[in-house]
Amino acid sequence: DAKTTQPPSMDCAEGRAANLPCNHSTISGNEYVYWYRQIHSQGPQYIIHGLKNNETNEMASLIITEDRKSSTLILPHATLRDTAVYYCIVRPWGDSNYQLIWGAGTKLIIKP
Amino acid sequence: ETGVTQTPRHLVMGMTNKKSLKCEQHLGHNAMYWYKQSAKKPLELMFVYSLEERVENNSVPSRFSPECPNSSHLFLHLHTLQPEDSALYLCASSQESPLVEKLFFGSGTQLSVL
Repeated sequence: DAKTTQPPSMDCAEGRAANLPCNHSTISGNEYVYWYRQIHSQGPQYIIHGLKNNETNEMASLIITEDRKSSTLILPHATLRDTAVYYCIVRPWGDSNYQLIWGAGTKLIIKP
Repeated sequence: ETGVTQTPRHLVMGMTNKKSLKCEQHLGHNAMYWYKQSAKKPLELMFVYSLEERVENNSVPSRFSPECPNSSHLFLHLHTLQPEDSALYLCASSQESPLVEKLFFGSGTQLSVL
């Protein structure tokens, strides 16, 4: 199972773009990268996922490097409500596809 | 509002009590999950139900007993718990299409075992 490495914490000014990096150097060719976030006292919330192409939705953009060994989640205009723990996880393929390997995530603090 | 509702939000119980956590999803999903989140530890998958059948049971002690009476409801029955079982218990659901893509989580039940 591929594992991910994220910085434990980051700060970002309100209104600026928040760029959250994730390293997944041992990712397999058919494993997806998922991002979730967890706001304090709530359950995790799905943000976005991708395989090898860049993806964008109403919440964020996901940039995956060509070698797929790392990715960056971009929140284009961060607000105070984006303060949360952000998890980058890689989904194993095959029979155990219920398993999402959750790490410690990055605690993102948006400052006014 | 995620479409997944958990009750109660907070629960305090003694080690000899029996209690149940309830989860209900209004999303039409066919898979439901129980996760445990202890302080300063990653989320741990406990149980998975797909089409009301248990398909994953991650070596969880027998003092935790899940029940899935239909595709919209999931319970976690608790008995003779230990203080180390104090944690946030999260319910989630997903639509298998056939692969799991997105999990939708409830807000969790914060459990304290005295």
